[in-house]
Amino acid sequence: SQQGEEDPQALSIQEGENATMNCSYKTSINNLQWYRQNSGRGLVHLILIRSNEREKHSGRLRVTLDTSKKSSSLLITASRAADTASYFCAVGGSQGNLIFGKGTKLSVKP
Amino acid sequence: NAGVMQNPRHLVRRRGQEARLRCSPMKGHSHVYWYRQLPEEGLKFMVYLQKENIIDESGMPKERFSAEFPKEGPSILRIQQVVRGDSAAYFCASSPQVGAYGAEAFFGQGTRLTVV
Repeated sequence: SQQGEEDPQALSIQEGENATMNCSYKTSINNLQWYRQNSGRGLVHLILIRSNEREKHSGRLRVTLDTSKKSSSLLITASRAADTASYFCAVGGSQGNLIFGKGTKLSVKP
Repeated sequence: NAGVMQNPRHLVRRRGQEARLRCSPMKGHSHVYWYRQLPEEGLKFMVYLQKENIIDESGMPKERFSAEFPKEGPSILRIQQVVRGDSAAYFCASSPQVGAYGAEAFFGQGTRLTVV
């Protein structure tokens, strides 16, 4: 299975701290995507990193991809209470399909 | 450009009834994906469609579930003879033509199905 597996399952930090979430997968991929989901809502696309890229930035987000270790990390810098949500990685295969992990639940305390 | 539109947002069905969930992809998107999410869990892939074609239905139960994406109109996920275990949030996503490295998928707000 190409399923992404996030680690940790839950993360609790103070506002202003950095949050790092990791994702591991099993087979070759075309891309890896990160999404955020607030409780009871739809998913918001955060960032896509291609298999030939190693790092990507978007605002306070930094994503890395290590295809040799089959892993990716999402770093949120200077976290805010509004960042509280579940974060999912999704691996994109050659057919264009996306397979999701179970997510990391991030809690940012004010 | 409107986002991915799903309707209804909430659907209540009695056991044995049929549930029809609709998804209109973003304008210009020809790829649609359906996912199911149980409370406190991740998204489970069900089916991936392009216009008039099912590309991958490996995540969809063989019985009672079907999906289509006709040439005109929204994609439909159909669940026949619903059971309590079908209660979940069903999300649809769409993406444009998939290039060599894939493409971003954008999600709708989901349909929350409750079977009573």
